[in-house]
Amino acid sequence: EAGVTQSPTHLIKTRGQQATLRCSPISGHTSVYWYQQALGLGLQFLLWYDEGEERNRGNFPPRFSGRQFPNYSSELNVNALELEDSALYLCASSNRVMNTEAFFGQGTRLTVV
Amino acid sequence: AQTVTQSQPEMSVQEAETVTLSCTYDTSESDYYLFWYKQPPSRQMILVIRQEAYKQQNATENRFSVNFQKAAKSFSLKISDSQLGDAAMYFCASGTGANSKLTFGKGITLSVRP
Repeated sequence: EAGVTQSPTHLIKTRGQQATLRCSPISGHTSVYWYQQALGLGLQFLLWYDEGEERNRGNFPPRFSGRQFPNYSSELNVNALELEDSALYLCASSNRVMNTEAFFGQGTRLTVV
Repeated sequence: AQTVTQSQPEMSVQEAETVTLSCTYDTSESDYYLFWYKQPPSRQMILVIRQEAYKQQNATENRFSVNFQKAAKSFSLKISDSQLGDAAMYFCASGTGANSKLTFGKGITLSVRP
């Protein structure tokens, strides 16, 4: 069974640009979570999608947004990139009905220059 | 709101020895879950062990076990017979459900000496 897959693995953007990160959950998982892992700050919760709806949002500005598609894959968009957005962005998925824990992808390393 | 605190940034253990990683948490929820995740250099977070707060028995998974002290809001991870492959960053996390959003501690870097 394929795990959670994220693309791209690495992404380099210039300040002010937009970045789009993608996540494919494990088959059968309807929930997708996004976390930001900045150096020295641990993982910070960004967004939670389930069944196509945004269920919860962390303490991040509105330029962080996303969506979940009918096949449960998800996109995270970061607009007007700032240098401090440089971080590892981790996606996780879970099966809400089965109450499984979250399984993580390998992340997208975003570097803003 | 939930908070998770890991106060030790680094620890080291001799191969085959036992090490305990500390974690404290705070939550206003009556029902919650606690987790330990491992993050090796490959960056992928791997679930090590989980504990349901309503269960009094401490969870165990092979060489990994927890010491869950609910009143003290403490959730430590014990790794027995440490192996070189255990070297990684370990994160303690809490959530209101097994599949809810998680609140993470800042992590601890564990090194294993051969």
